[in-house]
Amino acid sequence: GAVVSQHPSWVICKSGTSVKIECRSLDFQATTMFWYRQFPKQSLMLMATSNEGSKATYEQGVEKDKFLINHASLTLSTLTVTSAHPEDSSFYICSASLGAGHQPQHFGDGTRLSIL
Amino acid sequence: QQQVKQSPQSLIVQKGGISIINCAYENTAFDYFPWYQQFPGKGPALLIAIRPDVSEKKEGRFTISFNKSAKQFSLHIMDSQPGDSATYFCAVPYGQNFVFGPGTRLSVLP
Repeated sequence: GAVVSQHPSWVICKSGTSVKIECRSLDFQATTMFWYRQFPKQSLMLMATSNEGSKATYEQGVEKDKFLINHASLTLSTLTVTSAHPEDSSFYICSASLGAGHQPQHFGDGTRLSIL
Repeated sequence: QQQVKQSPQSLIVQKGGISIINCAYENTAFDYFPWYQQFPGKGPALLIAIRPDVSEKKEGRFTISFNKSAKQFSLHIMDSQPGDSATYFCAVPYGQNFVFGPGTRLSVLP
């Protein structure tokens, strides 16, 4: 149980392109979803927290106009990297939890984004 | 901001040995303390977690020991196997979320 699917797993695109990443909870309803960014050999850096039906809460230093998050249903959240540039290249990972607060987080397998 | 430290940064263990990874945090925290395991190119997977009302929890070969007063908890992997080779992250509650430790890269030699 508690499976989170993330799509696509890998994307390569040209600079200036907008890229959408989907995160789905397959067998449970996720009240809260999280988006992380991970650089090679580093820890997970929280970008934003989203609750179904409300605006995402972004961490300090994360541009909300650059990283658009939509959590339209209890099983789907999307992250759109708008006008992506090479410095946006990274490993993006989503996670989902059953409720607010300190609940177990279940992670997707990540999306490797490469901007040429 | 919650500060989380992990040690060691990397660890090499022979097959069948015991792997021990430590996690320390600065600010008082409650509720729930998980360890995650991450293989290259994959997302982290919840390995084992503990609530602070107990000092130890064991699941198969994995044990968490929790020292609330010292603000530390550790992961013990008994009978370590090459398949355990991965990066391990502890996480500490902070605000509505968690702060993840910097990670420990474990290599188990066959």
